[in-house]
Order: sequence, then C-alpha cells, then structure tokens
Amino acid sequence: GENVEQHPSTLSVQEGDSAVIKCTYSDSASNYFPWYKQELGKRPQLIIDIRSNVGEKKDQRIAVTLNKTAKHFSLHITETQPEDSAVYFCAASRAPGNTPLVFGKGTRLSVIA
Amino acid sequence: KAGVTQTPRYLIKTRGQQVTLSCSPISGHRSVSWYQQTPGQGLQFLFEYFSETQRNKGNFPGRFSGRQFSNSRSEMNVSTLELGDSALYLCASSLDGTGAYEQYFGPGTRLTVT
Repeated sequence: GENVEQHPSTLSVQEGDSAVIKCTYSDSASNYFPWYKQELGKRPQLIIDIRSNVGEKKDQRIAVTLNKTAKHFSLHITETQPEDSAVYFCAASRAPGNTPLVFGKGTRLSVIA
Repeated sequence: KAGVTQTPRYLIKTRGQQVTLSCSPISGHRSVSWYQQTPGQGLQFLFEYFSETQRNKGNFPGRFSGRQFSNSRSEMNVSTLELGDSALYLCASSLDGTGAYEQYFGPGTRLTVT
C-alpha cells in the first residue's frame, strides 16, 4: 500500500521568511495530493491540493509542487505570518478511486515574530 | 451548510470498557472516513463507509468497528479499551470518497482511557 514520508517534523522560521515542507510517496499510481493545516485544538482543514495533471499550483502565499517522476511533492509558504503556525499534513491517494488518503506524520511549523 | 459534527467531544473511559463515537457528515455527503490521531503516529486511517457499506479498512485490531446508517451518519465502536487507545478520533466526510471531491474533517472526539 501507499506510504507517505514527511520532512521535517518541526520547522521554525522568522516571520516574513519562507517555509518548505516536503513529502515523498511510494505508490506511483497516486495522483491526488492534498495538504491540511491543523491549528492547536482544531480540526484539520484543507489548504491546497494538487492532482497529477499539473506540476504546480498556487493560492496567494501558498504553493504546492509535484514531481511525479521522483514521487515527491512540497508545500511552500512565502512571507510567513504568526497565524501560519500550525501542524501541516500532506497526504496521497488514487483519485478517482476507492483507496483512502494516506497521511504523512505532520510538520509542526512555528513562525517567530 | 453545517459542517461535520462529532459527539461527544470528550470522553474518559476505563480500561476494558467499550465506547461509541458518532459522526454526522455534511448534508449530501455519502462517504465517512475515520482516523485515529496520536502525537507520535499522526493521522492513521481506521475505516471508510459509503452507502452503509465498509469500503476500506486500515490496519487496526477487530476491537475497532464501525457502521453507517441510511442517513450517512456513522458510528465507530471500540471494545475492551486499552490505554493505547487514548487519542483524538476524527471523522471526515466527502461526497463520494473517491478523491474527486474534498474531504472535510469534524472537530474530533478526544478519548482518554485510564
């Protein structure tokens, strides 16, 4: 089955700097890669996702890149702000399909003001 | 549209007891997935239900079970609780669970086993 590795497990950046979180996956048939943000004590919320027919997707300060050949994808946050502090999870699955999302173990991002 | 709801939000149980958690998906969503979240293991998939049928199952012992009702509401049950079952249990709903549509999480039920 699918296995998703996520790095780093913790990341501290200065406010205004960029943050990059990387994930690798094992199932070459996976083609749906969402990213979730979980603030302390709250539910995970989808912040961006990418499907294998595109290599990059942006939404304001957030971008995700996908390299299907290398089987890795990354989350990029630019101009970080204190409210970006949270745990970020990457995930992968086949879509459309009936296989569940497999999550990475999360990255705790701290943005220092 | 109301989001995914879970009840109860907090539970304290004793080892050996059983517990039932409930999840109400977003109206119109037919797929409900359950996850166990612990600090060391992240989000681990328990099972997924679609149209009252378990469609996928993660690598958890048979003490963990679930079901889905005709209105798409889902319950999960854990029998013979162990200390290691202490975790945040999250459910998530989507239109059809195929990955073609976004998955939305509920607030979770925090289970503490003493």
